[in-house]
Amino acid sequence: DTAVSQTPKYLVTQMGNDKSIKCEQNLGHDTMYWYKQDSKKFLKIMFSYNNKELIINETVPNRFSPKSPDKAHLNLHINSLELGDSAVYFCASSFRPGTGNTEAFFGQGTRLTVV
Amino acid sequence: KNEVEQSPQNLTAQEGEFITINCSYSVGISALHWLQQHPGGGIVSLFMLSSGKKKHGRLIATINIQEKHSSLHITASHPRDSAVYICAVTGTASKLTFGTGTRLQVTL
Repeated sequence: DTAVSQTPKYLVTQMGNDKSIKCEQNLGHDTMYWYKQDSKKFLKIMFSYNNKELIINETVPNRFSPKSPDKAHLNLHINSLELGDSAVYFCASSFRPGTGNTEAFFGQGTRLTVV
Repeated sequence: KNEVEQSPQNLTAQEGEFITINCSYSVGISALHWLQQHPGGGIVSLFMLSSGKKKHGRLIATINIQEKHSSLHITASHPRDSAVYICAVTGTASKLTFGTGTRLQVTL
């Protein structure tokens, strides 16, 4: 029944490793997002996909690569993890702006800790 | 300067008090969102509005498009309302731009 689900909820890994976070939504939305919440709790957009197409990439390092196999999934792969990547990552979905209803639904967040 | 500013940053209230959290934005928007983040971390959408006023239970959200300002009100506050309340706007691009959040603590 979960609208937006992301896994895992917690991820602890060593520097230099490669890891993925998965996100799936069952709301029929056509737009999905990845947001990063830093230690000061400030949320910032990383990527936005509309119908599997990348439409926003906000100066995120190339080590971060989103993959959208279909419009219900948006996964985030991170190469060569660094200490500064430690944060909470939120997936979200909505209908695209201009459709009249852009209410966003969020996943539970993935707390990534790089040691 | 952040495109979305919230005030206050921190707010402590006693149970039963009427609470107001303010949000000002400096960009053109198609919608404004109020979100709630509990200590457990999950984010829940409370309201999405583009004009006027919406009410849900003890929560009321208003927006003034001309003044680029929105308020979130909580009537008869309760300790379970303790959370971080985040204002966010949908601009012309397909993304949310967030305020820094207001940490609310309601005590008995």
